Amino acid sequence: DAGVIQSPRHEVTEMGQEVTLRCKPISGHDYLFWYRQTMMRGLELLIYFNNNVPIDDSGMPEDRFSAKMPNASFSTLKIQPSEPRDSAVYFCASSLYVAGWRFNEQFFGPGTRLTVL
Amino acid sequence: GDSVTQMEGPVTLSEEAFLTINCTYTATGYPSLFWYVQYPGEGLQLLLKATKADDKGSNKGFEATYRKETTSFHLEKGSVQVSDSAVYFCALMYSGGGADGLTFGKGTHLIIQP
Repeated sequence: DAGVIQSPRHEVTEMGQEVTLRCKPISGHDYLFWYRQTMMRGLELLIYFNNNVPIDDSGMPEDRFSAKMPNASFSTLKIQPSEPRDSAVYFCASSLYVAGWRFNEQFFGPGTRLTVL
Repeated sequence: GDSVTQMEGPVTLSEEAFLTINCTYTATGYPSLFWYVQYPGEGLQLLLKATKADDKGSNKGFEATYRKETTSFHLEKGSVQVSDSAVYFCALMYSGGGADGLTFGKGTHLIIQP
């Protein structure tokens, strides 16, 4: 099993440029999550999808951030325009909902380290 | 809102020492509680979980007990190894009716010296 795949692993860009981060969830999983990790704020949930539909985007910091999930095997997180304060590690995670289970484990990808100069 | 507080470290111990990493939470309901571990350059991995009060989660020698009366979920291990060096995150989640995002503590960097 390949696990959650994220690309690129590292991204360095200049302020004002558009950045697109990509995620492939585990096959068959119906939930997908985007998290951001910074030294100051720790790990924060940005948005999550269920069956490709965004359910909660209250964690998205501002309009410069957008996320899409065009199909069950692919999601993107886009930042346009990027700013230095967006520098962070961005994680994607996926899970499978099983009726009657109290907990559905989230499996994390390796993350994308974004540096905005 | 819900929150998780944990000691930030770094915590430096010698091999075979006893480990405790404190975690307390604030929640309006009855969440499930988790410990995740992050090794250098990798994503987070679930270490252990507890879904209701008094449950004890355990894995790889690590243990944590869900204490509702003290709103705590402290991580313990009797004898740490160099390979346990990592960042440990305490987290909570509500799972009723579907899936929700995790609320994390800021993480505790653990360094084990030989």
